[in-house]
Amino acid sequence: AQSVTQLDSHVSVSEGTPVLLRCNYSSSYSPSLFWYVQHPNKGLQLLLKYTSAATLVKGINGFEAEFKKSETSFHLTKPSAHMSDAAEYFCVVTPLNSGNTPLVFGKGTRLSVIA
Amino acid sequence: GAVVSQHPSWVICKSGTSVKIECRSLDFQATTMFWYRQFPKQSLMLMATSNEGSKATYEQGVEKDKFLINHASLTLSTLTVTSAHPEDSSFYICSAATGTVPYEQYFGPGTRLTVT
Repeated sequence: AQSVTQLDSHVSVSEGTPVLLRCNYSSSYSPSLFWYVQHPNKGLQLLLKYTSAATLVKGINGFEAEFKKSETSFHLTKPSAHMSDAAEYFCVVTPLNSGNTPLVFGKGTRLSVIA
Repeated sequence: GAVVSQHPSWVICKSGTSVKIECRSLDFQATTMFWYRQFPKQSLMLMATSNEGSKATYEQGVEKDKFLINHASLTLSTLTVTSAHPEDSSFYICSAATGTVPYEQYFGPGTRLTVT
């Protein structure tokens, strides 16, 4: 079984400061891990994904995440927040190389960016 | 990248009526499609897994007679909300899986259903 815990339901940062959204996972199998972003009243957009290659994964819009097996973590970071980053972020897990298995979503972290 | 569409993007219906939502993979074949439901300010909850040519597998607590899923082709799955009630109002999102390397899943843009 897989599960995801997003440690913060809401994170607020000032524009230009670093962003850290925390995610811990549990998986009986080698995992694939994803971060998705959802802007208000919009669908999901894939930010980045880990699929057992490099442990530091770079995504779109300056985001990156590091897979740490020893800590079962996959935290999302960005060096400098923009106003446009304000959105809901979901950490997601699924078994590696199992495209026909549903994704398991965390509860989400709402990121607010203050001018 | 692969594209998944949903139609309609937004629908309002009266209580007691039925609504059909379509999910299409536009440029790839999807052996498996998933239907999720999202309540306001909450995460996505899996409703059912839909495999082409076979009956859908519903998650515990999801009424299969109320949420009818049909996956008649490799590019189309439909979700019909029967006898809709206001509590069925939600954001419904589908995803489509390629089923082959690199085992990607692609999400549709979602359908917002409001039942009055």
